[in-house]
Amino acid sequence: DAGVIQSPRHEVTEMGQEVTLRCKPISGHNSLFWYRQTMMRGLELLIYFNNNVPIDDSGMPEDRFSAKMPNASFSTLKIQPSEPRDSAVYFCASSLGSGRAYNEQFFGPGTRLTVL
Amino acid sequence: AQTVTQSQPEMSVQEAETVTLSCTYDTSESNYYLFWYKQPPSRQMILVIRQEAYKQQNATENRFSVNFQKAAKSFSLKISDSQLGDTAMYFCAFNPMNRDDKIIFGKGTRLHILP
Repeated sequence: DAGVIQSPRHEVTEMGQEVTLRCKPISGHNSLFWYRQTMMRGLELLIYFNNNVPIDDSGMPEDRFSAKMPNASFSTLKIQPSEPRDSAVYFCASSLGSGRAYNEQFFGPGTRLTVL
Repeated sequence: AQTVTQSQPEMSVQEAETVTLSCTYDTSESNYYLFWYKQPPSRQMILVIRQEAYKQQNATENRFSVNFQKAAKSFSLKISDSQLGDTAMYFCAFNPMNRDDKIIFGKGTRLHILP
């Protein structure tokens, strides 16, 4: 079974550039989550989708961040324009969705973003 | 608001020893799930163990077990016969069953297993 797939694994870009992170959830999972992890702030939930619909985007830091889920097998997190303080590891996770057993989340390997 | 608190930012133990990581949470829900996730240096988040609040029996997975005290809202993780590969950040997490897909994570405990 393929787990959650994220690409790229590493991204180095310059301030002001657009960055797009990609995620493929586990097949059959109805909920998808984007997290950001830094030493200072720990693990933060940015946004999550259920059945491709954004449910809670209260963690999105500002308008420079946007996320889409055009279908059940693909999601993107875009930062435009990027800033050095966006440097972090970004995780995508998926779960079966509420009402299902345990509702545990399965995480992708993460994308390490460095903005110079 | 639901919160998860891990009071030990960092711990170190000798290999083969037993170590207990603490976690408390705050919720008004009666049914929920609790989890421990492990994040080794590879940074991959891995589910270690899970517990349903309506089950009184403590969950066990090989060397990992929990002490779930619902009234005290406590959910500690015990690692027996610790191994070097257990070195990782450990996150305690909470999910309100059937109400929300979000998992609320604690800030983590960094565990070092010393040779």
